[in-house]
Amino acid sequence: QVQLVQSGGEVKKPGASVKVSCKASGYTFSASYIHWVRQAPGLGLEWMGWINPNSGGTKYAQNFQGRVTMTRDTSITIAYMELNRLTSDDTAIYYCARDTSKLVGATDYWGQGTLVTVSS
Amino acid sequence: QSALTQPASVSGSPGQSITISCTGTSNDVGGYNYVSWHQQHPGKAPKLMISEVTNRPSGVPDRFSGSKSGNTASLTISGLQPEDEADYFCSSFASTGSFVFATGTKVTVL
Repeated sequence: QVQLVQSGGEVKKPGASVKVSCKASGYTFSASYIHWVRQAPGLGLEWMGWINPNSGGTKYAQNFQGRVTMTRDTSITIAYMELNRLTSDDTAIYYCARDTSKLVGATDYWGQGTLVTVSS
Repeated sequence: QSALTQPASVSGSPGQSITISCTGTSNDVGGYNYVSWHQQHPGKAPKLMISEVTNRPSGVPDRFSGSKSGNTASLTISGLQPEDEADYFCSSFASTGSFVFATGTKVTVL
């Protein structure tokens, strides 16, 4: 069965970086795009970007340009999202989600979420 | 890229039908048939309910349906059930290959 299992919660200080992992199983990792989406406490969903696990190609939301890096390791079917220069506004649950091979936003499987808390 | 617009809340009684709108622009909702709808219960990850405007994934009840007219997409729940009480978010593919979510709608079953 398809599963996306994310790394555990993190507590970071302002200015630090965080790297969240998303372990995929149960399907061909390189065949489906992976999106990263975050949700601040009590707020809505915010799209951060996608990565093509086959090519490594990425597209980032304008709000995160220059601060986010999405990578993958196909040998162990893990996608990563690293966010730099953290502020308290980055406190949120971070999700990875699988799209189809066509990149249409049909995110049918989601990770369990990783809570990142930024606090001094 | 600005967020899509949804009503903050919609309510209905069991068995009734409700419709949630999702308004964007010709650069996102109006320009592509790549609108998705997600349901989210408190403390849970989002769940895909509709993709590509009208496609319902396997396992999603057929009381959920999607449509689009111009720059506005809609999610209709026909025959509202208590378990449908949740937050609903639409999203759309946008120009330059990005995606955008809406602000979300809280559905209350009276």
